Amino acid sequence: KNQVEQSPQSLIILEGKNCTLQCNYTVSPFSNLRWYKQDTGRGPVSLTIMTFSENTKSNGRYTATLDADTKQSSLHITASQLSDSASYICVVTPGQNFVFGPGTRLSVLP
Amino acid sequence: IAGITQAPTSQILAAGRRMTLRCTQDMRHNAMYWYRQDLGLGLRLIHYSNTAGTTGKGEVPDGYSVSRANTDDFPLTLASAVPSQTSVYFCASSVEPGTEAFFGQGTRLTVV
Repeated sequence: KNQVEQSPQSLIILEGKNCTLQCNYTVSPFSNLRWYKQDTGRGPVSLTIMTFSENTKSNGRYTATLDADTKQSSLHITASQLSDSASYICVVTPGQNFVFGPGTRLSVLP
Repeated sequence: IAGITQAPTSQILAAGRRMTLRCTQDMRHNAMYWYRQDLGLGLRLIHYSNTAGTTGKGEVPDGYSVSRANTDDFPLTLASAVPSQTSVYFCASSVEPGTEAFFGQGTRLTVV
């Protein structure tokens, strides 16, 4: 069964600190992997997309990595800001569908 | 450009009532989707449409129906609402199936 797992379930950090969110997937075939950010009360918004041949992709303070051999991805947030407080969702595309992870809830405190 | 718009933003509905959630996009995307999001679970696909005039069942289609009469609109209907359908519903669209999905702001539905 195609599945995406994320850890931790929730995370609290202080403003200015770095953090890393994890995503493990058992999805086949693999087309691409995306990280979405979902602010409270809003729909998810795409942060990064990586295909099989890419192992790192940056978007400002967000850096995603992909290890297609171990089927793992991470999202690293550098110098966190209060506005980074949100849920981060890992999404793997096996073809024409999307398989969503449950998300990691990040809280950045002043 | 509005992008993708859902209505209503929130609704409290009596069990047994019929309800249609509206979704409109102005990006001329071929594919559209309806998801429900429940606490602790990932977004789950209810129904999808790869192009106007076609629809398909997702992971949790029971109790829901959709139609895709044109490119822009993709309404989701609950024929007879039940409390287990209390959830946040997201409509999304993408240029083609499997490409980047753009989400609406969500509809929070409470069935009592």
